[in-house]
Amino acid sequence: DTAVSQTPKYLVTQMGNDKSIKCEQNLGHDTMYWYKQDSKKFLKIMFSYNNKELIINETVPNRFSPKSPDKAHLNLHINSLELGDSAVYFCASSQGLAGADTQYFGPGTRLTVL
Amino acid sequence: AQSVTQLDSQVPVFEEAPVELRCNYSSSVSVYLFWYVQYPNQGLQLLLKYLSGSTLVESINGFEAEFNKSQTSFHLRKPSVHISDTAEYFCAVSRRGGIQGAQKLVFGQGTRLTINP
Repeated sequence: DTAVSQTPKYLVTQMGNDKSIKCEQNLGHDTMYWYKQDSKKFLKIMFSYNNKELIINETVPNRFSPKSPDKAHLNLHINSLELGDSAVYFCASSQGLAGADTQYFGPGTRLTVL
Repeated sequence: AQSVTQLDSQVPVFEEAPVELRCNYSSSVSVYLFWYVQYPNQGLQLLLKYLSGSTLVESINGFEAEFNKSQTSFHLRKPSVHISDTAEYFCAVSRRGGIQGAQKLVFGQGTRLTINP
């Protein structure tokens, strides 16, 4: 069974469109994250939720809106897509908030904005 | 502020040769340090982590890393690499990043390890 899954795996869309990426974890973890990996492989956190509550919100355009309907799911909605949004987006989860907790990553969603 | 620097963007080595991937961090407080590996077209997987105690930590596939507080380094080593070790390797440090005492991972720029036959 996949621990952290994301859909879709690939997403190709036009500028200006709105799209969503879904993430689910079956590990029973309390904390979930969204990361963005750019074309140079640099990985940066965007958001984190703990028990459905937003706890980390990095400097991200407000076109990006995360939503956590329950502890096992964290979705990412992006409005008015721009060329610079092209990247690989990773979802991750961890048991809790502690710095020592291992984060488990999903396989990623490659977003291409044309 | 805590940040992470991986000194080599690419490291090519021959199969069965030893390898060292370098990582330095900046922090004025105690840290948790991690190495994650990303195989082609996959997500990241934890390789090993340092929390406290013994400064030498090992992974199940032969990698090890040594926490050196005086040099603020956490270099990753393997005495003999295999073709299957070809991947991107990320060093990361945990730092406080949000409300409720939330911790976040700050990653280095990554090192691409390429194993040649």
